[in-house]
Amino acid sequence: QQQVKQSPQSLIVQKGGISIINCAYENTAFDYFPWYQQFPGKGPALLIAIRPDVSEKKEGRFTISFNKSAKQFSLHIMDSQPGDSATYFCAARTRKLSFGAGTTVTVRA
Amino acid sequence: GAGVSQSPRYKVAKRGQDVALRCDPISGHVSLFWYQQALGQGPEFLTYFQNEAQLDKSGLPSDRFFAERPEGSVSTLKIQRTQQEDSAVYLCASSLEAGFNEKLFFGSGTQLSVL
Repeated sequence: QQQVKQSPQSLIVQKGGISIINCAYENTAFDYFPWYQQFPGKGPALLIAIRPDVSEKKEGRFTISFNKSAKQFSLHIMDSQPGDSATYFCAARTRKLSFGAGTTVTVRA
Repeated sequence: GAGVSQSPRYKVAKRGQDVALRCDPISGHVSLFWYQQALGQGPEFLTYFQNEAQLDKSGLPSDRFFAERPEGSVSTLKIQRTQQEDSAVYLCASSLEAGFNEKLFFGSGTQLSVL
């Protein structure tokens, strides 16, 4: 049973556009919400993370928006670049990390 | 290299064979995790070591799966009598601190194909 539901499964965006990936959870014991980026043939790499007492966190072109009451959080990739083409996973932690199913992002030049 | 190293990169096994997958974590990292990633899915937790102690093996899918980290550094994940449903990428991750903390560093994984 997946504890974190992620959507969409895939998306295509033009260079310079905005990519938005959404995640939802039920377990209110989650205390840390990271996003991981994975390129083909590589392991996931931590991209950005947020705690539930913060509503937004921005690092460069990547922003997490967090809605505690709705139990939802999202990743926004601004000014998307071809090098951003990868699979993105949201995750949530209690004692261990639970990952979403992933979103494959394709940025067209 | 200073990253997490996993070997072999690819492993093909016939159904019923035993396999052993190796993980070399970042030097000095206390915590080591194994994850299983099925095609098109996110990683699923298998087991956790703090130094040589296996503190959580709740994610191991059956008693055919066994992991060890005898000296608190290199870890081996062993799968006995492999089945087709074991086909997946097996990821190892390590972190400097104890516990299910925030800074996990993943290896590139071992892709296991069971025929």
